[in-house]
Amino acid sequence: DGGITQSPKYLFRKEGQNVTLSCEQNLNHDAMYWYRQDPGQGLRLIYYSQIVNDFQKGDIAEGYSVSREKKESFPLTVTSAQKNPTAFYLCASSPGLVAGELFFGEGSRLTVL
Amino acid sequence: QKEVEQNSGPLSVPEGAIASLNCTYSDRGSQSFFWYRQYSGKSPELIMFIYSNGDKEDGRFTAQLNKASQYVSLLIRDSQPSDSATYLCAVMKTSYDKVIFGPGTSLSVIP
Repeated sequence: DGGITQSPKYLFRKEGQNVTLSCEQNLNHDAMYWYRQDPGQGLRLIYYSQIVNDFQKGDIAEGYSVSREKKESFPLTVTSAQKNPTAFYLCASSPGLVAGELFFGEGSRLTVL
Repeated sequence: QKEVEQNSGPLSVPEGAIASLNCTYSDRGSQSFFWYRQYSGKSPELIMFIYSNGDKEDGRFTAQLNKASQYVSLLIRDSQPSDSATYLCAVMKTSYDKVIFGPGTSLSVIP
């Protein structure tokens, strides 16, 4: 079935370690996004990419990095520079036919110990 | 001023009533508006989008947009307990082609 797969679903990390969250889609969507959600809050945009080999910073890009080497993949690295990394991370893609229509993965919950 | 604002709630309505959710946005140039529903612990899913002033109906859901007043609302008729969720308003900024979300409104439908 077509969809967006995020892994891992749960991840524990020690302070000072980098961690990479995977996001793969087989929907043939051009645009992909990473959002962060903290308890009781909305989604904040970290990075987004409209085409392969190109991406833009969102509102809270500091301490994060991404790559877009393939259309299907948009991994997010949470670096040790991110001061409060514990959060729920959501990857989304958009076909662009209805601008802004986002399809989300199931999310990755990161806890820093 | 936040770019997209919503009442955080929680909003409680009895089963069968109309639930009214409101959202305001700051960028007057915004052109696309979305309502997403998010169940606890799950990812958001799109339920409505609207581009033009006025009303747009889809089943029990009606989205209303007033660009002059910079607000968008979602009405849920005949509310069901299964509608209990957080509703996220989202706005697409044409200049930067990114989708900005509000903080969400928690809705509880009481049987």
